[in-house]
Amino acid sequence: EAQVTQNPRYLITVTGKKLTVTCSQNMNHEYMSWYRQDPGLGLRQIYYSMNVEVTDKGDVPEGYKVSRKEKRNFPLILESPSPNQTSLYFCASSLGYLADTIYFGEGSWLTVV
Amino acid sequence: AQSVAQPEDQVNVAEGNPLTVKCTYSVSGNPYLFWYVQYPNRGLQFLLKYITGDNLVKGSYGFEAEFNKSQTSFHLKKPSALVSDSALYFCAVRSAYSGAGSYQLTFGKGTKLSVIP
Repeated sequence: EAQVTQNPRYLITVTGKKLTVTCSQNMNHEYMSWYRQDPGLGLRQIYYSMNVEVTDKGDVPEGYKVSRKEKRNFPLILESPSPNQTSLYFCASSLGYLADTIYFGEGSWLTVV
Repeated sequence: AQSVAQPEDQVNVAEGNPLTVKCTYSVSGNPYLFWYVQYPNRGLQFLLKYITGDNLVKGSYGFEAEFNKSQTSFHLKKPSALVSDSALYFCAVRSAYSGAGSYQLTFGKGTKLSVIP
C-alpha cells in the first residue's frame, strides 16, 4: 500500500529540547516536503526536497532543519523548539515536483511548552 | 510570489443543494491547480487537478472544478451536496514553469464546508 508515514503522531515537548519528526515513503518518490498547518493560516511549506541531498526552503523555514540522505526518508529537525512551533505538521511526497498527485502523511501534532 | 486565496472561511449548504467553494490564484506562467479535502484528524486527500486541457475537470466523490484563466479562478463544485462532504477543503497551486524557484506548492487557508441535513 502506498504510504507516507510520520512519527511521532503526537508529542508534547519542552522549549529548547531538540526533536526530530521522521517521515518515510514507500513509493520511490523523488519530491518530498514538510508543511505546518495552523488555524486561519492553512498549510505553509517549511522545506522541500527535489531528490537525495537536494533540499530548499519553503515559506516558513525558520527554526527548522531537514536532511535527505536517502530517497525514502525526509526527517524534520527542530534544534531548539519554541512555543510558536506548536502546530500540526504534515509530510508529503510525489513522484516529481511537477507530479499532479501528492500523498500526505496522517500528521504529527506537536506541542511545545 | 505565488499565492492562493479562498475568500470564504466557511460555506454552509443544505443537503441536496449544489455547492461551490471558491479559489483564486496568482502564479508565474501557467498553473497546475489542485483541490484537497481534509477530514477531522486526518491528512489531506487528493480530489482533483487541472494540468492542461479541458477547463472543467472531474474528480473524486462527484466533485468537479472549473478553471478560468481570465479570472484566475478554480472553483470547486458539486451538483448535490451530501452530509458526508462536510470537511475542510484546500485549493493549491504550483507553477508549470520548470525554472529555479518554481518548485513550491502553495495552499490556500482552507474553507470549511458544512452540509446541513
